[in-house]
Amino acid sequence: GENVEQHPSTLSVQEGDSAVIKCTYSDSASNYFPWYKQELGKRPQLIIDIRSNVGEKKDQRIAVTLNKTAKHFSLHITETQPEDSAVYFCAARQYNNNDMRFGAGTRLTVKP
Amino acid sequence: DADVTQTPRNRITKTGKRIMLECSQTKGHDRMYWYRQDPGLGLRLIYYSFDVKDINKGEISDGYSVSRQAQAKFSLSLESAIPNQTALYFCATSDSDRNEQFFGPGTRLTVL
Repeated sequence: GENVEQHPSTLSVQEGDSAVIKCTYSDSASNYFPWYKQELGKRPQLIIDIRSNVGEKKDQRIAVTLNKTAKHFSLHITETQPEDSAVYFCAARQYNNNDMRFGAGTRLTVKP
Repeated sequence: DADVTQTPRNRITKTGKRIMLECSQTKGHDRMYWYRQDPGLGLRLIYYSFDVKDINKGEISDGYSVSRQAQAKFSLSLESAIPNQTALYFCATSDSDRNEQFFGPGTRLTVL
């Protein structure tokens, strides 16, 4: 089955700096890669996702890049703000297959 | 607003007790999921269901069972709870035409 590894487990940045979180996956058949944000005491919410037919996707201050050859994908947050502080999870699965595997999470702290 | 709800939100029980966690949704989605979240382990899939007559095991189904009573309801049972089932449990839903999963607020279960 799929195995997803996520790094780092914790990340602290100064407000306005960029943050990068990286994930690797093991199953070359995986072709859907979402990122979820979970604020303290709240439910996870999808912030961005990418399918394997594209290498990069952007949505305002967040972007995701995918390297299928190396089997890794990354979340980039630019101009970080205190409200970006949360735990971020990456995940991977085959498109329309419901057995999605999550990374262990990255706790991002943005210091004002 | 259409939503995913879980009951109870918190539960403390003793080893050996039977526990049922319930999930309801008003999103009209056909797919429903149960995950558990443990610190440092991310979200792990327990069971998922494509529709009322479809139930599938996830990554960690041992010790759990589920019932899809209706399109809008998906319950998770622990037949004989044990302490290592102490965790935060999330229900999620998705539409068959889209990949995004929408999570409920979570149920914090403690088994003493």
